[in-house]
Order: sequence, then C-alpha cells, then structure tokens
Amino acid sequence: GESVGLHLPTLSVQEGDNSIINCAYSNSASDYFIWYKQESGKGPQFIIDIRSNMDKRQGQRVTVLLNKTVKHLSLQIAATQPGDSAVYFCAETYTGGGNKLTFGTGTQLKVEL
Amino acid sequence: ETGVTQTPRHLVMGMTNKKSLKCEQHLGHNAMYWYKQSAKKPLELMFVYSLEERVENNSVPSRFSPECPNSSHLFLHLHTLQPEDSALYLCASSQGVDVFYEQYFGPGTRLTVT
Repeated sequence: GESVGLHLPTLSVQEGDNSIINCAYSNSASDYFIWYKQESGKGPQFIIDIRSNMDKRQGQRVTVLLNKTVKHLSLQIAATQPGDSAVYFCAETYTGGGNKLTFGTGTQLKVEL
Repeated sequence: ETGVTQTPRHLVMGMTNKKSLKCEQHLGHNAMYWYKQSAKKPLELMFVYSLEERVENNSVPSRFSPECPNSSHLFLHLHTLQPEDSALYLCASSQGVDVFYEQYFGPGTRLTVT
C-alpha cells in the first residue's frame, strides 16, 4: 500500500544551527503535503503546507521543499531553538481524498545547547 | 477554554471496563475526528464526523463506538478493549471536511489497557 516515511528517527542539532528533516512519500497522486510539530504531551500542530504545483514554500524560520520527481519532502528550520525540540512528521493527501491524511512516523528533533 | 480540549488526559482501564473519552472544540468548526497514535506508528484516522454525521469509519473494531451529539462535542465509547488498544487517542476539528481545511488537534488521552 501507499506509505509516507521519514529517513531518520532522531536528529540532534546545536542551538542556532539549521535543521533539515526529510520525508519520502510513495503515492504519486498526492498533491498536498503538511508538516506537523508535536511537542511532548501535546497534540500535533500544523507548521506549514505545500501543494504539488509548488516546489518551495517559506514560513517564519521554516521552509518546505518538494521534489515530485523523487517523491521527497523536506522541512528546513533556520536557527534552531530549544523550543523547536519536538517530533516532526509529514502528512500527505490528494484532491478528492476528503480529509483523509496519511501520516509519517515522525522524526524526533533534539536541540542541544 | 480555547481550541480543542480532551478529557481525561490519562486513563487506565481493564479489559472488561466501559469508559468514554470526551472531546470538545471551541473553534466553531463543523468537522471532528478521532485518531489513534501508537508508539512508533503513524497517526491512524479512526472516525470523521461532519455536522454530527459520521462520514468516515476506517475499519475500526466495534469495541470503539463514537458519538457526536453536536458539532462541538465528540465522544469515543470504549468497551472490552484489548492491551493492543493502549495508545494516545487524539481528537481534532476543522472548519469543514475537505483536504485543505487545517485540522486542530487536542492534547490527547493516554489510554492504557491492562
């Protein structure tokens, strides 16, 4: 079946460095992607999204890159801060899929002081 | 209260117990969801309600029974659960049932079945 997965389960970065979290997806029909952040004891929180007609989208300190050729998605966090420590996971869906999102398993981001 | 709230935050129950999880959203949304989050597994969609009508039931065992009495409240009734049902149960809401409406999640109920 279709799946969304992450390359690394844990990522440790120094405070102030940039973080890159990767995600692979396999459903070629997917045309909408979302990154979520889940802090300990909390539910997932929307960070940024991107549609398949774009290959890059920027938010505040975050950038999502989409490479449809290799079905790869990445989340870049600039100047990583301690408050960025959380599990990050991607989700994908497709137009006509209702609101059914397929989620990845998540990458734990640890920010070292 | 703002956002999406869930009670209880933690629940331990035996396999013969009956319990209910409650979710309330204060965002004026029309769609509500139940998700299951198990350790090292992706989020699994369980149920979707739109304007109090169930629009999605993802092959969930009958020991999980959802109820949506109004657009602000969602319940998940539990009975005769199995240990593998231990997980974090997340509720979410969105403005509508469409892929482009952002889903807002509650903090979850950590369920342990003994």
